[in-house]
Amino acid sequence: DAGVTQSPTHLIKTRGQQVTLRCSPKSGHDTVSWYQQALGQGPQFIFQYYEEEERQRGNFPDRFSGHQFPNYSSELNVNALLLGDSALYLCASSFVRAEGYTFGSGTRLTVV
Amino acid sequence: QKEVEQNSGPLSVPEGAIASLNCTYSDRGSQSFFWYRQYSGKSPELIMSIYSNGDKEDGRFTAQLNKASQYVSLLIRDSQPSDSATYLCAVGNNNDMRFGAGTRLTVKP
Repeated sequence: DAGVTQSPTHLIKTRGQQVTLRCSPKSGHDTVSWYQQALGQGPQFIFQYYEEEERQRGNFPDRFSGHQFPNYSSELNVNALLLGDSALYLCASSFVRAEGYTFGSGTRLTVV
Repeated sequence: QKEVEQNSGPLSVPEGAIASLNCTYSDRGSQSFFWYRQYSGKSPELIMSIYSNGDKEDGRFTAQLNKASQYVSLLIRDSQPSDSATYLCAVGNNNDMRFGAGTRLTVKP
């Protein structure tokens, strides 16, 4: 049973560029949440997708956007990259809210 | 006030001791509570969940919840060097889950 898969694993982008990160949820999961984790910090909630719609959003600017596809996979897009966007981006999937989330291995984004 | 607060540590205990990790949260409407373990360079993995007041035990781990005090804790008995990691407290409410900054635990042989 495949867990949560994220791609790419690592990414280096230049300030001002745009990036797309991808996530496939665990089999049977229909909800995808995205988190940003800076070094030495806890994961910060970006947004959650369910039934192809953004259901909840954290305190992130509109430069961060997302999408969920009919097969429950999801993308995170970040426009106009800033140096401060350098972080580990984690995708987590779930089915029943109370069960907790299953995390992917993350995408390490470096903005130079 | 942060939504979820943890002692940042680091916390160091000798092998075989009990490690105690604490967490407080601000939203009284929170419904679900989790502890995740994160090894350096890896993603968080769920180790405990708790939803009602009291204690919940799973092997060497015990989670404690006190909703009136808005307090969650994790006890690790017979700590092992392999328990050395960052422990993240997470609080769920409706459609999202918020994390604390984590407590770094080191278990010394």
